Amino acid sequence: SQQGEEDPQALSIQEGENATMNCSYKTSINNLQWYRQNSGRGLVHLILIRSNEREKHSGRLRVTLDTSKKSSSLLITASRAADTASYFCATDASLTGNQFYFGTGTSLTVIP
Amino acid sequence: NAGVTQTPKFQVLKTGQSMTLQCAQDMNHEYMSWYRQDPGMGLRLIHYSVGAGITDQGEVPNGYNVSRSTTEDFPLRLLSAAPSQTSVYFCASSLESATYGHEQFFGPGTRLTVL
Repeated sequence: SQQGEEDPQALSIQEGENATMNCSYKTSINNLQWYRQNSGRGLVHLILIRSNEREKHSGRLRVTLDTSKKSSSLLITASRAADTASYFCATDASLTGNQFYFGTGTSLTVIP
Repeated sequence: NAGVTQTPKFQVLKTGQSMTLQCAQDMNHEYMSWYRQDPGMGLRLIHYSVGAGITDQGEVPNGYNVSRSTTEDFPLRLLSAAPSQTSVYFCASSLESATYGHEQFFGPGTRLTVL
């Protein structure tokens, strides 16, 4: 079964608003990554957070990680129409470590 | 530097046919993987490789074979295509396996339809 689950499945906001999406996972991890996928394209890496980190920033992106709750959130501030895409979290499983597990994704629509 | 390339981009097969999806990377990455993406299912790992000559199964390996004779290439073979294998297939590579936290680079995908 899949390691990660994103919430919400779909999100629609106005340009300039903030978008928050959440990821829950099942087993202990070494790291968690967020990816973006534009329609019909491959995934692109956004940001990585390690299990000993609680928060990371990259430009308009802010990621948090709560290992006690096995959850992460991705915040996109001041959203733009170009942020319209699907967003996926990906984890490893610390016991095996060789596999990436992807969630089901959040589809974000930013309305101009 | 082409990154990760996949061929073909589109393919239509009849049930029972076999084919090979090609994947190549020019970044000298040790770790390569194949995923399938179905609506509402996210990406599911089919097979992966941690280096030349080493492959292993992922979540959904049945009906697929892989080999890794070189660092650069990681072809995925469908042995006898079934309609359930209709999907979009992505190849990805990263410097090392998931534990080390390196980003994965994805190819553009192959859209496969099995009739």
